[in-house]
Amino acid sequence: DIQMTQSPSSLSASVGDRVTITCRSSQNIPNYLNWYQQKPGKAPNLLIFGASTLQNGVPSRFSGSGSGTHFTLTITSLQPEDSATYYCQQSYRTPQTFGQGTKVEIK
Amino acid sequence: EVQLVESGGGLVQPGGSLRLSCAASGFTFKNYWMNWVRQTPGKGLEWVANIKEDGSDKYYVDSVKGRFTISRDNAKNSLYLQMNWLRGEDTAVYYCVRDNIDQQLGRFDYWGQGTLVSVSS
Repeated sequence: DIQMTQSPSSLSASVGDRVTITCRSSQNIPNYLNWYQQKPGKAPNLLIFGASTLQNGVPSRFSGSGSGTHFTLTITSLQPEDSATYYCQQSYRTPQTFGQGTKVEIK
Repeated sequence: EVQLVESGGGLVQPGGSLRLSCAASGFTFKNYWMNWVRQTPGKGLEWVANIKEDGSDKYYVDSVKGRFTISRDNAKNSLYLQMNWLRGEDTAVYYCVRDNIDQQLGRFDYWGQGTLVSVSS
């Protein structure tokens, strides 16, 4: 199975800050990488697919980059409503696997 | 509006069975792969199983092979997960999830609200 490793596990940042979350895969997954946001008590919500394509309706302050084994999710100007846990997921091979999550808190 | 509504969760003893259902609406159900994904506080998000548009192909995570069966009824716009020989580690919130595959890039673009399965004596 392809293992997905996110860093950091958690972070605390101020409104307006630039935030970057990293996701690494144990094997090459070209651009088969998706990012999700999950708020407490809710289902995950798709933010980015294909490593860098923004899902419809997602604010443009979210962006994704990377290919191969190294990927990043960036929030250019953190907003209070961005407090959530973020997950990466590879869709290259079955079983599709998720990272362990990065909890983003607002200072 | 796309909606996925799960039902069938509950408390069951180890070794018992449950059948989860997912009612889909707002899209052409028969045109999409569908998935079950579960979430536990300890293990995070885990893909469990998926099924092809016409039900001809099915895949499972190793930990549930031989115990869980995914199925669908396209006439009823419904997805199912039959869970047998349940174990404590199957305790989780189970989500019904649509897989939107475009140019081979798949992504889970719609999720249900989840149904809680608790396995305990």
